[in-house]
Amino acid sequence: DAKTTQPNSMESNEEEPVHLPCNHSTISGTDYIHWYRQLPSQGPEYVIHGLTSNVNNRMASLAIAEDRKSSTLILHRATLRDAAVYYCILRDTPPKLIFGTGTRLQVFP
Amino acid sequence: NAGVTQTPKFQVLKTGQSMTLQCAQDMNHEYMSWYRQDPGMGLRLIHYSVGAGITDQGEVPNGYNVSRSTTEDFPLRLLSAAPSQTSVYFCASSTPGSLGFGNTIYFGEGSWLTVV
Repeated sequence: DAKTTQPNSMESNEEEPVHLPCNHSTISGTDYIHWYRQLPSQGPEYVIHGLTSNVNNRMASLAIAEDRKSSTLILHRATLRDAAVYYCILRDTPPKLIFGTGTRLQVFP
Repeated sequence: NAGVTQTPKFQVLKTGQSMTLQCAQDMNHEYMSWYRQDPGMGLRLIHYSVGAGITDQGEVPNGYNVSRSTTEDFPLRLLSAAPSQTSVYFCASSTPGSLGFGNTIYFGEGSWLTVV
């Protein structure tokens, strides 16, 4: 399975944009790039996913590099409720998701 | 529509005891999975199922059994609990959908298990 690399932690101030990077240099052509987040004491929740093109939804944007070897999750205006662990995951074999340790995002008032 | 429901939420077991963690989903999803999460770690896949009657092993299957007799239910059995199985367990479900592998996975709220 292809692996992802994320920074262990990042910090942001409230109302500021946050860019969470993910490297996936061994990605295959059929791998979708998924982002999930996990709030304290909760199960992971879906944030966004994409294959080749940049994607937007009400929660975030996903920017995918042209060679697909990296991607960036963009939270346009961080709130205190966005403090969580964010996981970048490649999925090519259903229903498996292989989680790394993710990026812990701290948001300061 | 309750989504993915796990029971119990908290459980304390003695070493050697057996128990079953229940998972049910009401979304008619074909795919279901069990993960465990140890402190400070990401989730690790224990077992998964692509449909009723079909199960397979994930990354860390030892000490656990599963079965899938219905689409809705996917119980996880601990055969003889060990302290190393102290963890938080998450059940998940999804549908393959027309796009194949790009679909959302829904997680339950977790079951906190302590083995003493």
